[in-house]
Amino acid sequence: DQQVKQNSPSLSVQEGRISILNCDYTNSMFDYFLWYKKYPAEGPTFLISISSIKDKNEDGRFTVFLNKSAKHLSLHIVPSQPGDSAVYFCAASRAAGNKLTFGGGTRVLVKP
Amino acid sequence: NAGVMQNPRHLVRRRGQEARLRCSPMKGHSHVYWYRQLPEEGLKFMVYLQKENIIDESGMPKERFSAEFPKEGPSILRIQQVVRGDSAAYFCASSPTISNQPQHFGDGTRLSIL
Repeated sequence: DQQVKQNSPSLSVQEGRISILNCDYTNSMFDYFLWYKKYPAEGPTFLISISSIKDKNEDGRFTVFLNKSAKHLSLHIVPSQPGDSAVYFCAASRAAGNKLTFGGGTRVLVKP
Repeated sequence: NAGVMQNPRHLVRRRGQEARLRCSPMKGHSHVYWYRQLPEEGLKFMVYLQKENIIDESGMPKERFSAEFPKEGPSILRIQQVVRGDSAAYFCASSPTISNQPQHFGDGTRLSIL
C-alpha cells in the first residue's frame, strides 16, 4: 500500500531552467509534507516543508505547492543548478506520531 | 547531515550473526526514528523512540529486530540472526519535539550480509 507516490523515477533538465517534481498521496490524514534531497552514500537532507493549512511555501530557489483536493504536491526548483543533481524524496506525516511516509524518489540530473 | 551521528557507516555480517547499529541524535533532540532503505526504493519507517520509551514500532519486523533509546547513550537498532534480506541502508533521524518539525537524518549504516 503505497500511500505516497512519485510517478517520475527520473528527470533531466538544463542548467538555469525550472525543475518540477511531483508527488501524490492517498491518505487524507496527512497534514505535513516535506521534500528531502539525497546524494549517494549520504542521508537525506531536509529542503522545504509545508503544512496543510497552506498551499505554497517558498525558500530561495525552492517552492513547494500543495493541492489538498487533488492530494498532490510539487517542488519547483528555479533556476536549476548542476549541484541540484540528486535524488529527491517527498514525505508526509500526520500531526500525531510524526513518522514519515516516503515516496520512491525522483532522480534529477541537471545538465550544464 | 552534521548533527545526527550514526556508526558504523558500513557493517558486514555473516548470516546468523547479530548486527548493532548506533545513533546519537542532534543536540537538544529527544525523538529518534529509524528508517530502512532497500536498493532503488524509498525509505520505510521502522520505529520511533523517545528516551527509555518506544512510541511507535509499527514498521518493525515482528522477529529478530529490536530498538532502544536508553537514558544515557545512543539509540541502538539490533538485528539478531541476520539474513541476506536484511542487507540495506539504515537511517536514523531525530527531531526536537513531536510537533511539525522536520526530521534531520544521519548518513546511515550500510549493512551487508554475506
